[in-house]
Amino acid sequence: GAGVSQSPSNKVTEKGKDVELRCDPISGHTALYWYRQSLGQGLEFLIYFQGNSAPDKSGLPSDRFSAERTGGSVSTLTIQRTQQEDSAVYLCASSQTINQETQYFGPGTRLLVL
Amino acid sequence: GIQVEQSPPDLILQEGANSTLRCNFSDSVNNLQWFHQNPWGQLINLFYIPSGTKQNGRLSATTVATERYSLLYISSSQTTDSGVYFCANGGSQGNLIFGKGTKLSVKP
Repeated sequence: GAGVSQSPSNKVTEKGKDVELRCDPISGHTALYWYRQSLGQGLEFLIYFQGNSAPDKSGLPSDRFSAERTGGSVSTLTIQRTQQEDSAVYLCASSQTINQETQYFGPGTRLLVL
Repeated sequence: GIQVEQSPPDLILQEGANSTLRCNFSDSVNNLQWFHQNPWGQLINLFYIPSGTKQNGRLSATTVATERYSLLYISSSQTTDSGVYFCANGGSQGNLIFGKGTKLSVKP
């Protein structure tokens, strides 16, 4: 596609429910990144993929968060048993390779946990 | 950990004015990028500039890697330049570490 796309654009859920966020990177980009931006906070790095592999998951805030990428393309970020503090904008970015590359961001998914 | 400090945190300009935004880094400059986040939240990559100077229209950026800082210049500002400007430096995983941003408001 022309740019990074994310879905849904907005998600309202009840505390305790699971949510799945989707990212479709720029075609041909092997590196994919997930970030989170909370109200009044900066951009926080969560996890990256090189191809389908996520070598380091230590940036994920808790074990309720997981992510996967299949076919070297689409990635999903899953949050289980959502909490109110999970409310944030979840941003996905992609770059051609993992290092020394411009990162292109999607429009984000705005998650609100009630 | 790597620190990225931006200044000023807030900036109000009259349309047509020029401005300089600054980013300081606690660690070596690596994969440095400047972004503009528009009022709808979209992050737009302005420059990939680990060193040297680049220009794109009314915007230009300079990075002095040896002194661990980067500057973003906005000339003849327009109301559409409003938003938050972020700089980011590379982390150990190829990720970006972002500063807290400079919130720019350009008044007509």
